[in-house]
Amino acid sequence: DAGITQSPRHKVTETGTPVTLRCHQTENHRYMYWYRQDPGHGLRLIHYSYGVKDTDKGEVSDGYSVSRSKTEDFLLTLESATSSQTSVYFCAISESAGVNEKLFFGSGTQLSVL
Amino acid sequence: GEDVEQSLFLSVREGDSSVINCTYTDSSSTYLYWYKQEPGAGLQLLTYIFSNMDMKQDQRLTVLLNKKDKHLSLRIADTQTGDSAIYFCAESLDSGGYQKVTFGTGTKLQVIP
Repeated sequence: DAGITQSPRHKVTETGTPVTLRCHQTENHRYMYWYRQDPGHGLRLIHYSYGVKDTDKGEVSDGYSVSRSKTEDFLLTLESATSSQTSVYFCAISESAGVNEKLFFGSGTQLSVL
Repeated sequence: GEDVEQSLFLSVREGDSSVINCTYTDSSSTYLYWYKQEPGAGLQLLTYIFSNMDMKQDQRLTVLLNKKDKHLSLRIADTQTGDSAIYFCAESLDSGGYQKVTFGTGTKLQVIP
């Protein structure tokens, strides 16, 4: 998966608890993204980063925060998990945000919020 | 608007051609993509086409783009069981500083031996 590692691969948590998902890349790509995948919705962008400490919101950012203190790591935090955040979360990277935005994806994290 | 729509399911026999269709609504798309997702894995870029092209061929894959109708299709020749997966089309739009990629809901391709 293009040098992208997501951890954990599976997580079960309870409503109201904080959860952090990690994405680690070895490609030294500038751009990193967090998506969620839900039946009937395809993939939706949560947050993205265009450099160290540079992040911005995607279309479904409510309830999520991100941090990028190093080029290789992009963290997604659910401050207080809710059942609606049960989903499969994918990290993606791209070399540049030029016109042709080719994305490379990690293997995903299956999160269940009970 | 930025809706990308696909049919949910397609079933074909091994050896036949598969055609997966996609419609999008934003005529200012710059690139359009096809991604493949196998069970338990992330999405893998299969191919892409620039918006001023009509067709692109890459081995067994043929992408057709009809800009007038905002219709994109992916044809897989000689479909194999290994082609069974979910296929996503996606469009790339200039979103004020970065290229926003919008994905369709995915088409599950089942290949019958």
